[in-house]
Amino acid sequence: DAGVIQSPRHEVTEMGQEVTLRCKPISGHDYLFWYRQTMMRGLELLIYFNNNVPIDDSGMPEDRFSAKMPNASFSTLKIQPSEPRDSAVYFCASSLVDSHSQFFGPGTRLTVL
Amino acid sequence: EDKVVQSPLSLVVHEGDTVTLNCSYEVTNFRSLLWYKQEKKAPTFLFMLTSSGIEKKSGRLSSILDKKELFSILNITATQTGDSAVYLCASSPNRDDKIIFGKGTRLHILP
Repeated sequence: DAGVIQSPRHEVTEMGQEVTLRCKPISGHDYLFWYRQTMMRGLELLIYFNNNVPIDDSGMPEDRFSAKMPNASFSTLKIQPSEPRDSAVYFCASSLVDSHSQFFGPGTRLTVL
Repeated sequence: EDKVVQSPLSLVVHEGDTVTLNCSYEVTNFRSLLWYKQEKKAPTFLFMLTSSGIEKKSGRLSSILDKKELFSILNITATQTGDSAVYLCASSPNRDDKIIFGKGTRLHILP
């Protein structure tokens, strides 16, 4: 298995633009997590899904952020409109049911100018 | 509010030294404590601890959990420059696999 796949790996955009981050979890994993990591705040859980259903989105910073998981092999995290303070590395991770061993993707480094 | 606190935030030692990283937690309905190593990219899983007093080992790394005092330690013996990384501690507070991370300990090993 190729592991968790994220795209793009790097994104540089201007304030106000829409940003879409993509994630393909490991096949067979039932949980998918979106994280954001910054120097100031560390690693933060934004939202997670179980069997494609959002379970807890309390970590999503505000309405500009949205996440979807239309099927078991694909998820998106969208920021619209983006702001400079959204600049961070965004990780996607997946895990099996009842397993805490989450496997992380390589991350997307987002820079909003 | 559930939280995980790691100390120290940063540590610099010489190759060959032994280091101990600390993690304390306050979570409702504690289920397990996790350790990750993060180098330049994504975190990689090291240990999962669910029972007090049982040491988990992997090579030069070991970890133990104290559920009474609500903390865990990660030990690295005979450190090598390749151990330089950020070590993250995380706790899962309930059965829904929602994980809370500490801010990490940045470890730098000098040659």
